[in-house]
Amino acid sequence: IQLTQSPSSLSASVGDRVTITCRASQDISHYLVWYQQKPGKAPELLIYAASTLHSGVPSRFSGSGFGTDFTLTITSLQPEDFAIYYCQQLNSYPLTFGPGTIVD
Amino acid sequence: QVQLRESGPGLVRPSETLSLTCTVFGGFITSSHWSWVRQSADKRLEWIGRIDASGITNYNPSLKSRLRMSVDLSKKVLSLEMTSVTAADTAVYYCVRDDTGFGPWGQGTLVTVSS
Repeated sequence: IQLTQSPSSLSASVGDRVTITCRASQDISHYLVWYQQKPGKAPELLIYAASTLHSGVPSRFSGSGFGTDFTLTITSLQPEDFAIYYCQQLNSYPLTFGPGTIVD
Repeated sequence: QVQLRESGPGLVRPSETLSLTCTVFGGFITSSHWSWVRQSADKRLEWIGRIDASGITNYNPSLKSRLRMSVDLSKKVLSLEMTSVTAADTAVYYCVRDDTGFGPWGQGTLVTVSS
């Protein structure tokens, strides 16, 4: 299953609302996960099952979608949110990741 | 809190075998699946494969013929072997707990394939 993300990069300012889209090449139900990666660090889990916030993740992050189209939204961008965001599908093997969206 | 730490040689010669280990600190190694993921210089993430506490594996078909994963429950250590490496296998390799999502991740270990 191929995942595409749009945009590939975006420029934003603190306080902005940011939306990232992930599209799957076939129906993956709700088996979509979002990660955040900062420079020099491993990715960190943000959202699983398309819309469930991982423990400790701020409520300004939210996820939505089902089937093939998914969205990650950051309602008010904070300085620590500048990072690369990846989606991943867990519906079928091989597990695959999107190419990432750079938020700078 | 589960923490993971990868270790490996750093530099591997082309055509040789890459061997990595991942030690699991805290938590129960028997309670989850465990995956290996690598990240190339262009920042792309690639799932390598997963293993559970029983030793049952699922490998990425693109790498399957070169892979072997194992788990040592007593030592809480996961192992990855990849044979016949080429420059295309140069990447940061991560081990990660694999549940409803991937997390936590190890800090990663850079493997460079070069003569």
